[in-house]
Amino acid sequence: DAGITQSPRHKVTETGTPVTLRCHQTENHRYMYWYRQDPGHGLRLIHYSYGVKDTDKGEVSDGYSVSRSKTEDFLLTLESATSSQTSVYFCAISGMTSGDYEQYFGPGTRLTVT
Amino acid sequence: ILNVEQSPQSLHVQEGDSTNFTCSFPSSNFYALHWYRWETAKSPEALFVMTLNGDEKKKGRISATLNTKEGYSYLYIKGSQPEDSATYLCAPYNYGQNFVFGPGTRLSVLP
Repeated sequence: DAGITQSPRHKVTETGTPVTLRCHQTENHRYMYWYRQDPGHGLRLIHYSYGVKDTDKGEVSDGYSVSRSKTEDFLLTLESATSSQTSVYFCAISGMTSGDYEQYFGPGTRLTVT
Repeated sequence: ILNVEQSPQSLHVQEGDSTNFTCSFPSSNFYALHWYRWETAKSPEALFVMTLNGDEKKKGRISATLNTKEGYSYLYIKGSQPEDSATYLCAPYNYGQNFVFGPGTRLSVLP
């Protein structure tokens, strides 16, 4: 298994509070991604990073920000959580091995916003 | 954002049946297509990475084909087993775009 962990694994928070999710990798892969899992939509990309301090928006970036100060860590922040952000969040990593960008996923973080 | 479709949305088959499902995507600027297997309460796991028109990949009883000119890929499972029950996701990658995951095909294999 790829060395990728997420913390916390579960979190319950109240509407309006800030929340930060952490993704940590030990593979030294260049690319890191944050997805959310929603019924009927599969996985949707929130933000991604292509290097330290290099990030860009994905399909559903509103209400989320990210930071990557080290190769191994990619943080996802909900500045003011809303109930619509209740979801399971997956981090993924990939490297350009043979040019294929195969993604390896973390175990997921279940976030509930009450 | 790429428009990625997968069909059927879900299907139920009996153990031992063979089955297949489809991933459709825009063919312009194609770079690669990934297939992932996603079991309930687990994380998606990569099955295949396909890049060339006409590619065929195989892993055990599961195989996939790719047609980049018409924008589709088929995933086949031969002799389905209960442990094949999962959601199968495709994710095409086109130049200038991010990976976009399809909505998935949920397969249930009944013993």
